[in-house]
Amino acid sequence: KAGVTQTPRYLIKTRGQQVTLSCSPISGHRSVSWYQQTPGQGLQFLFEYFSETQRNKGNFPGRFSGRQFSNSRSEMNVSTLELGDSALYLCASSLAPGPSYEQYFGPGTRLTVT
Amino acid sequence: GENVEQHPSTLSVQEGDSAVIKCTYSDSASNYFPWYKQELGKRPQLIIDIRSNVGEKKDQRIAVTLNKTAKHFSLHITETQPEDSAVYFCAAGGTSYGKLTFGQGTILTVHP
Repeated sequence: KAGVTQTPRYLIKTRGQQVTLSCSPISGHRSVSWYQQTPGQGLQFLFEYFSETQRNKGNFPGRFSGRQFSNSRSEMNVSTLELGDSALYLCASSLAPGPSYEQYFGPGTRLTVT
Repeated sequence: GENVEQHPSTLSVQEGDSAVIKCTYSDSASNYFPWYKQELGKRPQLIIDIRSNVGEKKDQRIAVTLNKTAKHFSLHITETQPEDSAVYFCAAGGTSYGKLTFGQGTILTVHP
């Protein structure tokens, strides 16, 4: 089975712009979670989607949003980019949400905001 | 919310030695504890996990122990090899769908 894929892998944006990142889960996985990884804050949970519905949201401002499509692919959007949004954005997929299901990460999208 | 503390932040061992990384969590309702290994420039890779109905789990050179009373869990790597060098993250979950709360990570260096 192919693993979790994310596009694009690298992105450079300017402050004030917006960006959309994409995640394709492992075939058959219906839950997608997003995490932000930075050297200072580590891995922080952004949100989780299952059956096209946001099930959970982390402590991030409303500029961060996401959605999930009927084929379980997910996108996240960050509007009005700030320098502090520079990070590695990781998505993880699982069969379903909850502790019974392991999460597998994609390679991430490296976002640099200048 | 859940808080996970991980120690040490860096760990240096000689090849063949054992390595132990410890994590504590705050939410007694957490019931799922995975460990991830992240090599430089690569994705976090799930290496082992444990659920609250189990006290210990082993997979070849890797083992994880869980003490629910004390709210801490540990990763044990025996007979370390240079390829074990990476950043290791512990996490806790199970209280809110699939949300995982991660520790700050441990940089493990295994010297040949």
